[in-house]
Amino acid sequence: AQRVTQPEKLLSVFKGAPVELKCNYSYSGSPELFWYVQYSRQRLQLLLRHISRESIKGFTADLNKGETSFHLKKPFAQEEDSAMYYCALNTDKLIFGTGTRLQVFP
Amino acid sequence: DAGVIQSPRHEVTEMGQEVTLRCKPISGHDYLFWYRQTMMRGLELLIYFNNNVPIDDSGMPEDRFSAKMPNASFSTLKIQPSEPRDSAVYFCASKGLASGASQRKWNEQFFGPGTRLTVL
Repeated sequence: AQRVTQPEKLLSVFKGAPVELKCNYSYSGSPELFWYVQYSRQRLQLLLRHISRESIKGFTADLNKGETSFHLKKPFAQEEDSAMYYCALNTDKLIFGTGTRLQVFP
Repeated sequence: DAGVIQSPRHEVTEMGQEVTLRCKPISGHDYLFWYRQTMMRGLELLIYFNNNVPIDDSGMPEDRFSAKMPNASFSTLKIQPSEPRDSAVYFCASKGLASGASQRKWNEQFFGPGTRLTVL
């Protein structure tokens, strides 16, 4: 079965703390994974794609096929990072996880 | 390009009324997706089209929901009759070649701003 699991509904940290948003997937083929972000009352927008191996707004995500994970990390969280984060697996359609709300307190 | 356009941005209606949500995808995109977002269920794919043809409508909750794509630049999601439990934010997204070969390779979906539906 094709599935994306984000085990944490809410993650709260203080500014400057490290952040890791967890994502695990289930897929029989070679996965194509994304992280989308949704700031308050705004549209979803692409944050990261695993193929590009880039760092956006200080966030990185590494695909670990052995652990079937694609965790999102940032070493020092900022208040403006507060948002909803969705991990997504691409097949012919995107399969989204249930999302993790990140709250960064001052 | 203005991106994916949705209208209306907000809709408040009474139970039993018909609701029509509209989406204009990015020009040249050949895939269009409709999603529903609620606090309880998160982001759910309702239906998606490829070249104006519905490919997978397994996420459509029930017969009260219907979606059409009469041409490549327009799609509608209709709820008739509407119920309070339909209250949600409905997003439209598109993807395709128009965004450039590199982005096609990444299969990125571009989302609209959403329609916030409230059924009283």
